[in-house]
Amino acid sequence: EAEVAQSPRYKITEKSQAVAFWCDPISGHATLYWYRQILGQGPELLVQFQDESVVDDSQLPKDRFSAERLKGVDSTLKIQPAELGDSAMYLCASSRDYPRDEQYFGPGTRLTVT
Amino acid sequence: TQLLEQSPQFLSIQEGENLTVYCNSSSVFSSLQWYRQEPGEGPVLLVTVVTGGEVKKLKRLTFQFGDARKDSSLHITAAQPGDTGLYLCAGLRSQGGKLIFGQGTELSVKP
Repeated sequence: EAEVAQSPRYKITEKSQAVAFWCDPISGHATLYWYRQILGQGPELLVQFQDESVVDDSQLPKDRFSAERLKGVDSTLKIQPAELGDSAMYLCASSRDYPRDEQYFGPGTRLTVT
Repeated sequence: TQLLEQSPQFLSIQEGENLTVYCNSSSVFSSLQWYRQEPGEGPVLLVTVVTGGEVKKLKRLTFQFGDARKDSSLHITAAQPGDTGLYLCAGLRSQGGKLIFGQGTELSVKP
């Protein structure tokens, strides 16, 4: 069964450093999502791509976060500089189409900023 | 402002007991999804309900979508330790197509 791949699974970084996460969606899925999940809360959407275009980045802190999906397949989410409050689980999800198709999540990257 | 309120937030029960988790909103959703998430892993989709009043069953789990498509419930019969995890409801907004998550219900089933 196809799955969403994410790496790394765990990342520890010092504040003010740069950090990057990678996501490879299920093959053929046009829509890709990045979510942030703080411990004890549900995921919150950071950015959504349709193919290589950003559909929604209204909740992305653009002063320090950036996301790209250059060829409309895999995607990278970057934080620079990292802050203590960025410690969270970063989840990637994909769906075949937008907006009604079901989203399938990857295993996530657990980020700890010290 | 939490658009989707889940209750209870924490639930600790003994194996064999029944339980119900509620997901409530003042907003109407075009569909509602339930996920289960284990520690350190991503959410796994359990079910999607689309029609008001719809009831879906998945083994010992029963999901219901409210008639007005504003609320949903998850009922587990004869809970087992393997049911332990974080249960998340998520509503798909008709406008904008955004998936809005509740804060989750942490379920612990003790043997």
